[in-house]
Amino acid sequence: SYELTQPPSVSVSPGQTATITCSGDRLGTKFASWYQQRPGQSPVLVIHQDDKRPSGIPDRFSASNSGSTATLTISGAQPADEADYYCQAWDNNVAVFGGGTKVTVL
Amino acid sequence: QVLLQESGPGLVKPSQTLSLTCTVSGASISTAKYYWNWIRQHPGEGLEWIGRIYYSGGVYFNPSVKSRATISQDTSKNQFSLTLTSVTSADTAVYYCAREVSGPQRGDFDYWGQGALVTVSS
Repeated sequence: SYELTQPPSVSVSPGQTATITCSGDRLGTKFASWYQQRPGQSPVLVIHQDDKRPSGIPDRFSASNSGSTATLTISGAQPADEADYYCQAWDNNVAVFGGGTKVTVL
Repeated sequence: QVLLQESGPGLVKPSQTLSLTCTVSGASISTAKYYWNWIRQHPGEGLEWIGRIYYSGGVYFNPSVKSRATISQDTSKNQFSLTLTSVTSADTAVYYCAREVSGPQRGDFDYWGQGALVTVSS
């Protein structure tokens, strides 16, 4: 079955840039989405179609997808960005999520 | 405003059937624009896609649960439902319903319910 691999954790200082990677076989040939999940809350879509931000998502969130790696970048990280982040793609009509990356802002 | 709300028993005995319903407001489940999905999250773990239903009634499942899962819809109530048979403790999780934007270049989940914790225990 298809797998997406993320680093378990990323730490970033306030105002600095956090980069989260998501690796999968030929991931660049698929569309990647990213979700933010704060503790005790439901996931929120922050990126779709590789690099598009839904309405209401701050422009400090950006992303790319090429080769076998999708990348989510948080520029100027804020304390409110502390959360778990999941990448997601489809393979053979099955939605696959990465294992999640815990972003700590400190 | 689109809202999804899960409902159902929070406690299910092992070997029995888990049943959850998602009530949708602010959008019709009878439109070709969206799929309607179930996704779960085991305690302290990541997200696992269970399956989806389309307005036509077509359903798709994760092979990991395909033999035990059913997804149905009640368009008159704008609801869709999940049943999972022969549950074990491994099915203890928060279950989310979510809307998926359909189309060849989409497949993202843009609205989620608040989640329903289901515990499998005797």
